[in-house]
Amino acid sequence: AAGVIQSPRHLIKEKRETATLKCYPIPRHDTVYWYQQGPGQDPQFLISFYEKMQSDKGSIPDRFSAQQFSDYHSELNMSSLELGDSALYFCASSFSNTEAFFGQGTRLTVV
Amino acid sequence: GQQLNQSPQSMFIQEGEDVSMNCTSSSIFNTWLWYKQDPGEGPVLLIALYKAGELTSNGRLTAQFGITRKDSFLNISASIPSDVGIYFCAGRGYKAAGNKLTFGGGTRVLVKP
Repeated sequence: AAGVIQSPRHLIKEKRETATLKCYPIPRHDTVYWYQQGPGQDPQFLISFYEKMQSDKGSIPDRFSAQQFSDYHSELNMSSLELGDSALYFCASSFSNTEAFFGQGTRLTVV
Repeated sequence: GQQLNQSPQSMFIQEGEDVSMNCTSSSIFNTWLWYKQDPGEGPVLLIALYKAGELTSNGRLTAQFGITRKDSFLNISASIPSDVGIYFCAGRGYKAAGNKLTFGGGTRVLVKP
């Protein structure tokens, strides 16, 4: 069965650079969520989209932005990267408010 | 905001033992999900619960949606070495579609030395 696809799997950026993370949800899923997970931490909610509209917003820095496109894929744009942004970034998708399935994540390292 | 307390934070298991963990919330949830996460990987969905009082099994796993809608537990029976990992509960409150999942702090399951 198709799963949530995230790219890239690994990304190394320097401070103050920009990064773009991509997420391709499971086909026919209308909701996408973005989470950030630091080492030894639980996933922290950043932002979600339902039917291409932002539906919920968590602790997402102003330096980050995200959108969901007409084909339902989503991108998380991160600017002015800081060392503290190094983390695993997960995307999840669901059909409305049913179970959410997670991708394999993108490991971002800021040096 | 919504807070999820998950306990225990960590536990040691011996093969064949039963394992229990639970989550409590400061507010009412309409969905409880349980995930297992291996290092560096994405959380994998184990069980989904949608109704208060619901008891659902998935192989050796059993989870229940608390009747107060503020808690849930997960049991693993007859544990095996591959049960090692981090287990997360996640809850979703009442809202129209697209509502976020709030995660508990995780229960780290380790093998007894």
